[in-house]
Amino acid sequence: TQLLEQSPQFLSIQEGENLTVYCNSSSVFSSLQWYRQEPGEGPVLLVTVVTGGEVKKLKRLTFQFGDARKDSSLHITAAQPGDTGLYLCAGAPITGNQFYFGTGTSLTVIP
Amino acid sequence: GAVVSQHPSRVICKSGTSVKIECRSLDFQATTMFWYRQFPKKSLMLMATSNEGSKATYEQGVEKDKFLINHASLTLSTLTVTSAHPEDSSFYICSVRYQETQYFGPGTRLLVL
Repeated sequence: TQLLEQSPQFLSIQEGENLTVYCNSSSVFSSLQWYRQEPGEGPVLLVTVVTGGEVKKLKRLTFQFGDARKDSSLHITAAQPGDTGLYLCAGAPITGNQFYFGTGTSLTVIP
Repeated sequence: GAVVSQHPSRVICKSGTSVKIECRSLDFQATTMFWYRQFPKKSLMLMATSNEGSKATYEQGVEKDKFLINHASLTLSTLTVTSAHPEDSSFYICSVRYQETQYFGPGTRLLVL
């Protein structure tokens, strides 16, 4: 069961365009992480958000945690080919050790 | 953060043989480690939670006799794919939880011929 739904599932855009990826759930999480994964490698942590309504920026990437801590978004400004990869959100439940992963968004940025 | 290693990074084996994958937490002691399986361009599917000194907790639909997990120390968990078949070919990734975040190993690509 996927508790976290990501949209879109696939995205192909031209270099320089902006995009937003959404991560939605009906469950509340104590924190939420975003990862980027390249083929043949493990996911690499981009950011952890903890507070409802929190916004974090990482260069051209902006992450927002929903006020109710049920959803999150990732916005990329002026996408570059190096942004190409699989983007995964993951939520840490209020109790328990297990993380719940989103369905994933495969991004391709065309030069 | 935490640093996690996996070995081997790639393995090719014949159908019917067993393959062991190691996951190590290099810079902190992990009482719990997680094993995932991933198909191309798909999200991670949790297979089991490895608990140091006790039995692993398997997710529904994952055969515990097929995917043997041993967590003998606070820094090492192993996943053994027994009697591997071509449908077991996949990307296997382990992770540890450190504070509010999971940190992943680099993954192991298994190809069963």
